[in-house]
Amino acid sequence: SYELIQPPSVSVSPGQTASITCSGDNLGDKFTYWYQQKPGQSPVLVIYQDSRRPSGIPERFSGSNSGNTATLTITGPQAMDDADYFCQAWDSDAVVFGGGTKLTVL
Amino acid sequence: QITLEESGPSLVKPTQTLTLTCTFSGFSLNSRGVGVGWIRQPPGKALEWLSVIFWDDEKRYSPSLKTRLTITKDTSKNQVVLTMTNMDPMDTATYFCAHRPSCVGGNCHSWGWFDPWGQGTLVTVSS
Repeated sequence: SYELIQPPSVSVSPGQTASITCSGDNLGDKFTYWYQQKPGQSPVLVIYQDSRRPSGIPERFSGSNSGNTATLTITGPQAMDDADYFCQAWDSDAVVFGGGTKLTVL
Repeated sequence: QITLEESGPSLVKPTQTLTLTCTFSGFSLNSRGVGVGWIRQPPGKALEWLSVIFWDDEKRYSPSLKTRLTITKDTSKNQVVLTMTNMDPMDTATYFCAHRPSCVGGNCHSWGWFDPWGQGTLVTVSS
């Protein structure tokens, strides 16, 4: 079955840039979606169709997808961005989620 | 404004069947391209997709759980029901339902994101 691999954790200081990767076979041929989840809350969509931002999501969130890797980038992260991030794609009529990445803003 | 709310038992015994209901507002499952999905999350773990049902009554299931899952919709009540048979303690999780937006063209049954999500309901499997 298709797998999406994410690093378990990423740490970043405010003012730097955080990059969270999501890897899968030929992932660049599929659309990737990204969700943010804070403790005790439901996931919230932050990027859809690789690089598009929903209304209300800050411009510091961006995405890209090429080859075998999709990347969620947070430019100048803030303390409020401290959360878990999950990538999602479709494969063979099934939804697949990555294992999630805990982003720590130091 | 789209909202979804999950309801069902908070505790089930091993081998029992779980029935969860997602009641939604702000959209219609009669609208072309729209879907409602179910996703679960064991405590402290990752999201796991379970199933999705579409406006045309097409259904998709997680390959690893498909023998245990059934998804149905009642458009008159704005509800989607998920049943999972033979529950096991490993099925203890928060179960979410979520809106899959309408798609335009392409393969509408293998596309798209989930937004928004319900608040989730915690189901514990224990004797």
